Formats: sequence, structure tokens, C-alpha cells
Amino acid sequence: EPEVTQTPSHQVTQMGQEVILRCVPISNHLYFYWYRQILGQKVEFLVSFYNNEISEKSEIFDDQFSVERPDGSNFTLKIRSTKLEDSAMYFCASSRDRGSSNYEQYFGPGTRLTVT
Amino acid sequence: AQKVTQAQTEISVVEKEDVTLDCVYETRDTTYYLFWYKQPPSGELVFLIRRNSFDEQNEISGRYSWNFQKSTSSFNFTITASQVVDSAVYFCALSEPSSNTGKLIFGQGTTLQVKP
Repeated sequence: EPEVTQTPSHQVTQMGQEVILRCVPISNHLYFYWYRQILGQKVEFLVSFYNNEISEKSEIFDDQFSVERPDGSNFTLKIRSTKLEDSAMYFCASSRDRGSSNYEQYFGPGTRLTVT
Repeated sequence: AQKVTQAQTEISVVEKEDVTLDCVYETRDTTYYLFWYKQPPSGELVFLIRRNSFDEQNEISGRYSWNFQKSTSSFNFTITASQVVDSAVYFCALSEPSSNTGKLIFGQGTTLQVKP
């Protein structure tokens, strides 16, 4: 069964450093997402990406964040200058469509980012 | 605005008890999708069910059942004869096609602890 993969599973970085979180969505999917979950809290939408551009972003997704689909398979989230409050689990997700009777979003296993 | 409320923060039951997790949603759309995800201690998000707003039929899958009540904007989840392996955080989520992105709006989650 196809699945979304994410690397690394855990990333530790120092405040102010840049990090890149990587995701490989399911191959025939067209819509890509990043979500964030601070420890013990709910899952929050960060950004959606379709047709090589951002289709929606939340208030959390400020100028320090960027996303890219550098080739046909990878989907990356870059945090330019990490802050302590960026420590969280970051989930990548993908879907084939965005609203139909068969709509489903598949999540990767997550990357736990720890900023020290 | 769209919103998902899971009023129960934590529930503790003894194995073999039935338990119901509540989910109330708000949306202005007439067509929308509701989801339940399970997050075990390992941290990944496991898809459990999607319900389309135009399909009010309740669903049963093994020990799991879902009660969708459009009139009260609720989509409750019942586990029958709970088991220790059911211990996890359960999230209810909403997607509105009108958002044009398919993003999921999550509730705060309910932590279920099943004791032997």
C-alpha cells in the first residue's frame, strides 16, 4: 500500500539554525500539506500546495517558513531561522483530490523537531 | 468560520467498557467531510473514517461505530468492548470543499486511556 514518508524522524537543531524537513508524498497525489502539532496540543494546518504553488497558508506560516517541490517526488518544508517555539511534530500529508466522495488525506509518520 | 470541538479532554475506562467520544463541528458549507484519526503513543496519525455530509447513514466497523447527526452538528465515535490497545489520542477533523484546498481543521483531541 502506498504511503507518505518523511525524513528525518527526529531533528535536533539550535535556535537560529535553518532546517529542512522532507516528505515524499504518494506518487499520484496532487495536493500536499504540512501540519504542525506542538506537544500535547491539536494538529494545526500550516500550508497547502497545489500545481507548484501555495494554495493556502495559515497565520502560523510566516516569512520564516517556505515550501518547495524541487522535483517530481519530494516536498520540503524549510524553517529559515528556528525559534524555541518551533519545537513540534511536523506532519506531511497528501491527497489525490480535495473534495469528493472519496476524499482522503494520507499522513506521513511525522518529523519531531526539537529546537534547543 | 469552521471549527471542531472535542469537549472531552481525557477519558479513562476499564477494559471491555464501551466508550463514546464526542465531536461537534461548525461550518457554513452544505457539503463537507468529517474525519476521525487515531494517534497512538508512537505519534503517527491513523485514519479511521471519513463521512460525507450528504450521507447520514451511521457506520459500524468491528468494535467501532460512528453516529453522524446533522441536526446537532455532531459526529460521535463509539468503541464497544474497549481494549488496552485502543489507548490513544483521538482527533475529529473537518474539511470544507469551499476552502479550495482540502485542508483539515482538527479538534483538540480526546485522550482515551483503557485500563486492564
